[in-house]
Parts: sequence; structure tokens; C-alpha cells
Amino acid sequence: GENVEQHPSTLSVQEGDSAVIKCTYSDSASNYFPWYKQELGKRPQLIIDIRSNVGEKKDQRIAVTLNKTAKHFSLHITETQPEDSAVYFCAAISNSGYALNFGKGTSLLVTP
Amino acid sequence: GEEVAQTPKHLVRGEGQKAKLYCAPIKGHSYVFWYQQVLKNEFKFLISFQNENVFDETGMPKERFSAKCLPNSPCSLEIQATKLEDSAVYFCASSQGNMNTEAFFGQGTRLTVV
Repeated sequence: GENVEQHPSTLSVQEGDSAVIKCTYSDSASNYFPWYKQELGKRPQLIIDIRSNVGEKKDQRIAVTLNKTAKHFSLHITETQPEDSAVYFCAAISNSGYALNFGKGTSLLVTP
Repeated sequence: GEEVAQTPKHLVRGEGQKAKLYCAPIKGHSYVFWYQQVLKNEFKFLISFQNENVFDETGMPKERFSAKCLPNSPCSLEIQATKLEDSAVYFCASSQGNMNTEAFFGQGTRLTVV
């Protein structure tokens, strides 16, 4: 099955700096890669996703890049703000049942 | 509805008791997924449904866990004879279907087994 690795597990940045979270996946048939943000005690919420027919997607301060050859994708957050502090999960869709295979999460702390 | 509705929000069970969790997917969504999130944040996929049919149950502990999605009823996840290690937040998600569509999550049910 699909195996998604995510790094780093924790990340601390100063407000205004950029944050980058990286993920790799194992199943070359995966073709949908969402990123979820989860605040403490809340549900995961989709912040951006990318499909395998594009290499990059941007939405305001958030961007995702995908390298299908290398089987890795990354989340980039620019001009970070304290409200960006949360746990971020990358995921890939398996080819066996449409279920999300999640990375283990990155706890991002943005300090003022 | 416009969001995935999970009940109850919290559930406390003594070891060995039964726990039953409910999920109403977004109207029009054909797929329902159950995930278990333990304290270390990791999500474990349990089972998925396409309408009322089991689609993928590869993550389901077969002995004590069961799930159903019946027409005109919320989906349910039932744990017989709960164990301490079943303590987790159980999330339900729904999606329109194919591999490239967003999965929307419910608020989760926090199960505590004491």
C-alpha cells in the first residue's frame, strides 16, 4: 500500500518567515495530494491540494509543489502568522479505495 | 447537510463495554471514510463505504470493530468489548467519489476507554 513520509515533525519559525514541509510517497499510481491543517481539538481542514497533472499550485500565502518523478511534494507557507500555528498533514490517495494515506504530521509553531 | 455531522462529540466507556459512533455524510457524497487518530496525531484508516457498500476495509480490526452505512440512516462505527488502546478520536469524512475529490471531515468523536 501507499506509504507517506513527512518531515520535519516539528517546525518553529518567527512570524514573517517562511515554512516548508516535505513529504514523500511510495505509490507511483497516487495522483491526488491534499494538505490538511488541524488546530488543537478541531477537525482536519483542507488548505490546498494538487493533482498529478500540475507541478505547482498557489493560493495566497500557501503553495504546494509536486515532483512526480521523485515522488515528493512540499508545502510552502510564506509570511507566516501566529494563526498558522497548527499541525499540518500531507496525504496521498491510494489506488485501492480512495482513502487518504496521511503523513505523521508537522507541528508548526509561529512565534511573534 | 452542508457538513459531516458526527455524534456524540465525547464518549466514555468502561473497558469491555460497547461503543457506537455515528456519522451523517454531506448530502450527495457517495463515499464515507472512518479514521482513527490517536494521541500521537497519526491517522489510521479503518474502513470506507460507497453508499451502503463496504468499499475498502483493509484497516479494520476485524474482531471487535464493525461499521455500517444503511440507506436513510447515519453511518455507524461500533466497537465491541472496548479496550484501553481504543481511546482515540474517530473521524468520519465524506467525498463525492473519485480519487481527485476533497474529503470533508466531521468534528470527530473522542472515545475514552477507562
